[in-house]
Amino acid sequence: QLVLTQSPSASASLGASVKLTCTLSSGHSTYAIAWHQQQPEKGPRYLMKVNSDGSHSKVDGIPDRFSGSSSGAERYLIISSLQSEDEADYYCQTWGIGSWVFGGGTTLTVL
Amino acid sequence: QVQLVESGGGVVQPGTSLRLACAASGFTFSNFDFHWVRQTPGKGLEWLAVATYDGNSKYYAVSVKGRFTISRDNSKRILFLQMNTLRAGDSAVYYCAGTKVVGAATWYYWGQGTLVTVSA
Repeated sequence: QLVLTQSPSASASLGASVKLTCTLSSGHSTYAIAWHQQQPEKGPRYLMKVNSDGSHSKVDGIPDRFSGSSSGAERYLIISSLQSEDEADYYCQTWGIGSWVFGGGTTLTVL
Repeated sequence: QVQLVESGGGVVQPGTSLRLACAASGFTFSNFDFHWVRQTPGKGLEWLAVATYDGNSKYYAVSVKGRFTISRDNSKRILFLQMNTLRAGDSAVYYCAGTKVVGAATWYYWGQGTLVTVSA
């Protein structure tokens, strides 16, 4: 069964860097994933797609502070030079057969 | 400017029906597959349904299959979700999302959501 696992919470200081992890279930380690950001009281916003080879593609308007990488079944979202507006929920998402599968989300707190 | 605006949410009684709409502007609606996703307050995202760009293929989550129907009108740039036999567990914010993949490039557009509350 295709499952994405995320830690429920993460925190880092203003100006620091943080690495959020999304783990693909066994047998699905080659899947690409997408990262979405959801700021409080807002709809989600697509950030980037991260492939199994670690390459990633961002949409226009996403700051260079946001990047992605991979290792095995893990997909990462790295945010550097953290700003207060980065405090949000971050969801990873992948593609099942005719469907989307979401991770449970990580709430990022900027200290 | 890309915009997706959901409407049709509200407070309804269990067992009743509701139809949500998602109006699109600022991009070529008919080039995008469209999805409905919901979020229970304080919880994560749950995928519900997809209609492919031409409306010819539709898929549903097990939790809503047989009760919810996704449809689209490309001429009017509107996506719909017909929700029947609503239950308390269907109470959530409902989002529409459009997506397109061209080679290595992927686009996603999300709406701001509409709240559905199912309560007696």
